[in-house]
Amino acid sequence: EAQVTQNPRYLITVTGKKLTVTCSQNMNHEYMSWYRQDPGLGLRQIYYSMNVEVTDKGDVPEGYKVSRKEKRNFPLILESPSPNQTSLYFCASTPRGADGYTFGSGTRLTVV
Amino acid sequence: AQSVTQLDSQVPVFEEAPVELRCNYSSSVSVYLFWYVQYPNQGLQLLLKYLSGSTLVKGINGFEAEFNKSQTSFHLRKPSVHISDTAEYFCAVSEWNAGNMLTFGGGTRLMVKP
Repeated sequence: EAQVTQNPRYLITVTGKKLTVTCSQNMNHEYMSWYRQDPGLGLRQIYYSMNVEVTDKGDVPEGYKVSRKEKRNFPLILESPSPNQTSLYFCASTPRGADGYTFGSGTRLTVV
Repeated sequence: AQSVTQLDSQVPVFEEAPVELRCNYSSSVSVYLFWYVQYPNQGLQLLLKYLSGSTLVKGINGFEAEFNKSQTSFHLRKPSVHISDTAEYFCAVSEWNAGNMLTFGGGTRLMVKP
């Protein structure tokens, strides 16, 4: 089944403890992206990647890192999480923008 | 830079009534337009998209949307809603030359009442 897989689905952590949210797609898509969803703000792009080793900042990149060493994987790294990063995170991929993105099921992160 | 405004944060409607969810966008270049639906505790699913050509596009679950370039709008409509349509709906825009960056509106929560 064609899909984007994120792990974990739920995560509670403490301020300052480094964490990684994994994202993997099995559709051979070139473009991948991370979004965070907050009530009333819709989805805001954190980082995106146009291909292996090619990444760029979205609208809200502060406090996040990404890497794209393989085409299928696009992990999101929070080196020192803070409570304002408590949010619902989505990974998405597409072969090209006009096709629309396929989204993962989301990761609900709580930083205390 | 592109931006999207969804004019209603919540839309209550009775079952079998028609509904329109409004979306306006701002961009200085040509765009692709999308509507996504998010059911509770799930990811986003593509409802429909406008790329070019006919301004009326049909999507899944009986939804359709009309692109109006002069009003920079892309409103979503359904002639008769069901309880199962209760969800959050997001309008999104992607500029042709923006490297596939997708910008979302704030979302509209559709609440269908029996």
